[in-house]
Amino acid sequence: DVKVTQSSRYLVKRTGEKVFLECVQDMDHENMFWYRQDPGLGLRLIYFSYDVKMKEKGDIPEGYSVSREKKERFSLILESASTNQTSMYLCASSLPRGPGYEQYFGPGTRLTVT
Amino acid sequence: QQQVKQSPQSLIVQKGGIPIINCAYENTAFDYFPWYQQFPGKGPALLIAIRPDVSEKKEGRFTISFNKSAKQFSLHIMDSQPGDSATYFCAASNLIGNEKLTFGTGTRLTIIP
Repeated sequence: DVKVTQSSRYLVKRTGEKVFLECVQDMDHENMFWYRQDPGLGLRLIYFSYDVKMKEKGDIPEGYSVSREKKERFSLILESASTNQTSMYLCASSLPRGPGYEQYFGPGTRLTVT
Repeated sequence: QQQVKQSPQSLIVQKGGIPIINCAYENTAFDYFPWYQQFPGKGPALLIAIRPDVSEKKEGRFTISFNKSAKQFSLHIMDSQPGDSATYFCAASNLIGNEKLTFGTGTRLTIIP
């Protein structure tokens, strides 16, 4: 079974803090994604990565950056956390496009910024 | 920019009924339409997916109906059970272009006994 793990289930940070969210996948997937999930807005893509050290902006990259130094690990960084970044953050991974394309999600990190 | 519109936002159905969730898309380059199911405290998981060369796909009690000309697709759950209570997301992608999924806003489905 594919497993995507996220470093924390719940996180509380203060405004202005630098926040690191870590994601690890164990299936040697090339692609990794970071989404945020908000009620009524669905899942919105923040950043994605097709390969080590490769990254592309998603739909809402402002206020975030990412790092992918190893194939299995994809980090989301909030340089200076703000209250409007309070949300559920979901990491996902996938193989490249092909029949039965599927993104595998982690359980999520609920981040509260106070 | 909402490229995939999903409705309803929430749905309550009696056990055994057939909930239907609808999605509409704008981008005619989309060529892959999955549905994801999310239980509380879990990440979304792929439920069923369809390509635009067929109008319907069934997997167990779950069916996707696809209308290419109307740019709409829907999820039907036959003989719904309380265990189907979850949030459902439709999505769309242009897999030829890249593997990004554009998600709908989600439908919270409750099946009452």
